Amino acid sequence: DIQMTQSPASLSASLGETVTIECLASEDIYDILAWYQQKPGKSPQLLIYDASSLHTGVPSRFSGSGSGTQYSLKINSLQPEDFASYYCQNGLSAPLTFGSGTKLEIK
Amino acid sequence: QVQLKETGPGLVQPTQTLSITCTVSGFSLTSYYMQWVRQTPGKGLEWMGFIRSGGSTEYNSEFKSRLSISRDTSKNQVFLKMNSLKTEDTGVYYCARGSDSSYNYFDYWGQGVMVTVSS
Repeated sequence: DIQMTQSPASLSASLGETVTIECLASEDIYDILAWYQQKPGKSPQLLIYDASSLHTGVPSRFSGSGSGTQYSLKINSLQPEDFASYYCQNGLSAPLTFGSGTKLEIK
Repeated sequence: QVQLKETGPGLVQPTQTLSITCTVSGFSLTSYYMQWVRQTPGKGLEWMGFIRSGGSTEYNSEFKSRLSISRDTSKNQVFLKMNSLKTEDTGVYYCARGSDSSYNYFDYWGQGVMVTVSS
């Protein structure tokens, strides 16, 4: 199974700041990676797919990059609604696997 | 618009069977893969399995032979059944749609159903 390791586990930032969340796959996943945002008590929402493609309706302050085994999610100019948990997901092969999550909190 | 909604029991006893129904609208089950994902305190988000647009299934081996996914296209419903429940199966169970770009991404999710396994 492909293991997805996310870092950091938690992150504090201020409104307007830029943050980056990292995801390391245990093997090459050829950019077949998604990022999700989850707010408390809600289901995850797709942000990014194929490592860098923005899902419909997602603000352009979100961006994804990376290749091979290393990927990142960048959020520019943090807005109040961005404080949530974020998860990466291997979409290359079953079993589909998720990172353990990054909780983004307001400083 | 696309909507998914899970319904199921809130409480299940250990060793019993969990049954959850996902009712969808706004798209056809014969055009999209339907996925099941759960979120537990112990393991976080876990992919459980999917049913393809053609009706065949694939499961996470983690659940071995405990899990079954099926559907009724006439009712726009997808079903999850898992037997031999344990306390560590406590969590939120989601159905999700495989996305247009790849069935291995999840572009729409239900609100989830909280399941507690306890006697």
